[in-house]
Amino acid sequence: SQTIHQWPATLVQPVGSPLSLECTVEGTSNPNLYWYRQAAGRGLQLLFYSVGIGQISSEVPQNLSASRPQDRQFILSSKKLLLSDSGFYLCAWSEGTGGADEQYFGPGTRLTVT
Amino acid sequence: GENVEQHPSTLSVQEGDSAVIKCTYSDSASNYFPWYKQELGKGPQLIIDIRSNVGEKKDQRIAVTLNKTAKHFSLHITETQPEDSAVYFCAASRTPNAGKSTFGDGTTLTVKP
Repeated sequence: SQTIHQWPATLVQPVGSPLSLECTVEGTSNPNLYWYRQAAGRGLQLLFYSVGIGQISSEVPQNLSASRPQDRQFILSSKKLLLSDSGFYLCAWSEGTGGADEQYFGPGTRLTVT
Repeated sequence: GENVEQHPSTLSVQEGDSAVIKCTYSDSASNYFPWYKQELGKGPQLIIDIRSNVGEKKDQRIAVTLNKTAKHFSLHITETQPEDSAVYFCAASRTPNAGKSTFGDGTTLTVKP
């Protein structure tokens, strides 16, 4: 069966520090991968999605970037965090092009920028 | 782009009662409508979905209805139980890029024992 991992689970970082959140998927090949941010009491905002290694699409302009160095690894980064970057970050996967539409989420990372 | 509105934002029911959550969408080309349940501190979990070629889908105590003409869809939970308490999200997207979903803002459901 497929599983999705995210780490760390929680993170407290000062303003201006760098960020690296990691997501890995097991049990599938060539997945579509996604990064979402969830503000308190709000829905999910799609930040990035990827259909393959090195292929990243950004949905909203922001202080963050994403990379996909391996087929089942997706990384969310920032060079300098802002207070507004605080939130709950969720990674998700779905089957690649032509596959099922269902999307599966990881456990999330709670980021607090102080 | 797509816009999804979800109502109500909070819903409190007695155990055993039914709960209904409604969403409207703006993009008439959207054809995939999933519903997610999110428990505190966890990622959302897909509980049911419906596609535009179907008007209703049921899975045990959960059902979803879709009105394409009016561009709205609803989640129905019958015989609610305390463990149904969570935040529920609707979403809309176009397949085959269904992962590029637009989410509603969520409904916090509380089931009182």
